[in-house]
Amino acid sequence: QSALTQPASVSGSPGQSIIISCAGTSADVGNYNLVSWYQHHPGEAPKLMIYEDTNRPSGVSHRFSGSRSGNTASLTISGLQAEDEANYHCCSYAGSSTWVFGGGTKLTVL
Amino acid sequence: EVQLVESGGGLIQPGGSLRLSCAASGVTVSPNYITWVRQAPGKGLEWVSFTSGGDKSFYAESVKGRFTISRDTSKSTLYLQMNSLRAEDTAVYYCATVSSNAFYTWGQGTMVTVSS
Repeated sequence: QSALTQPASVSGSPGQSIIISCAGTSADVGNYNLVSWYQHHPGEAPKLMIYEDTNRPSGVSHRFSGSRSGNTASLTISGLQAEDEANYHCCSYAGSSTWVFGGGTKLTVL
Repeated sequence: EVQLVESGGGLIQPGGSLRLSCAASGVTVSPNYITWVRQAPGKGLEWVSFTSGGDKSFYAESVKGRFTISRDTSKSTLYLQMNSLRAEDTAVYYCATVSSNAFYTWGQGTMVTVSS
């Protein structure tokens, strides 16, 4: 199972919007509506931000949104805030009760 | 609200064994659907294993045959038995609840270092 492909880093200024892509294959991202996104501040527990491609768990800011087109999923963060600076990981269900993660993207808020 | 606490990490020599624990609290019934995810130093998250309760457990190819999940329902605790450990198993290991094929509640993680 190959890892999903994410950019190593993205950056943006406060108030701007950024998009983090997550490229998979027809065996994972493209085959299921089951991509999730996690925010991870170093030293803390990862936090679920998006599930089932586009859904936000209760308590997650509306500034976070997810989408998917074919084999590529995306996480959009609008109105960037300093506290959004973190590592972001995408994950896709890959069938037969297995999952695959991306390599992670470091978001820097300038 | 469920809370998860991992323990059992430490320094172990290559070829050795270690058992990690994932204790659930804050709920009257332990969650059945639990996954283990790890993060090696400087790397991304890697899915390791998943259990849906009972005897059903699933593993990443990288650990299949070496890692085994078990559960003690009386203690609301899930275990990850890790045998034949390798340097590449060095990572922070997290357990998390699973719902809608996503990982909802995570523990703080426990560090496993495989080194001679």
